[in-house]
Amino acid sequence: GNSVTQMEGPVTLSEEAFLTINCTYTATGYPSLFWYVQYPGEGLQLLLKATKADDKGSNKGFEATYRKETTSFHLEKGSVQVSDSAVYFCALSAGTSYGKLTFGQGTILTVHP
Amino acid sequence: NAGVTQTPKFQVLKTGQSMTLQCAQDMNHEYMSWYRQDPGMGLRLIHYSVGAGITDQGEVPNGYNVSRSTTEDFPLRLLSAAPSQTSVYFCASSPNDKPYEQYFGPGTRLTVT
Repeated sequence: GNSVTQMEGPVTLSEEAFLTINCTYTATGYPSLFWYVQYPGEGLQLLLKATKADDKGSNKGFEATYRKETTSFHLEKGSVQVSDSAVYFCALSAGTSYGKLTFGQGTILTVHP
Repeated sequence: NAGVTQTPKFQVLKTGQSMTLQCAQDMNHEYMSWYRQDPGMGLRLIHYSVGAGITDQGEVPNGYNVSRSTTEDFPLRLLSAAPSQTSVYFCASSPNDKPYEQYFGPGTRLTVT
């Protein structure tokens, strides 16, 4: 079956630090990969996506590259801000499972001034 | 556009009680789904619908019913609440041409005592 594994959190950084949140996956076929973000008290929002190998998704300074050879989709940001404090979820969709997303367990990020 | 709305925001039930969590969207999306979010487990799909009159089970459907009589509404019914159903529930919707780019509601926090 499909699964997503994220690095365990929580992650605590100072403002302007470099961020990496690791994500690896197991899936049949060639999944599409996503990062969703959940700000405190809100629902999830799509942050970025990649639909095929070597694609790079980017948004709001965040980037992630679809690496088929390592089955990974790590999230990176060069300089985090306090406003980036949130829970980040890696997710995948695969093949014929129309609209069904498989989520990782989420990584809590806290950024201090 | 209100997007995806959910009511109530918070609910406490006693074991054995029933209730309906409401979800509505005003984006004319065909695809709607219900997830539950538990600590350390990410989001798990309960039920989903690809259009009015069509519903199907997700990963954890036991104890929940859904129906989809209109495009806009997708209520989730708990038939006989159990403490294991204590969770945060999210409704999401997405357009047919991008089923994996899901828009989430703000969530309902349910406690079953």
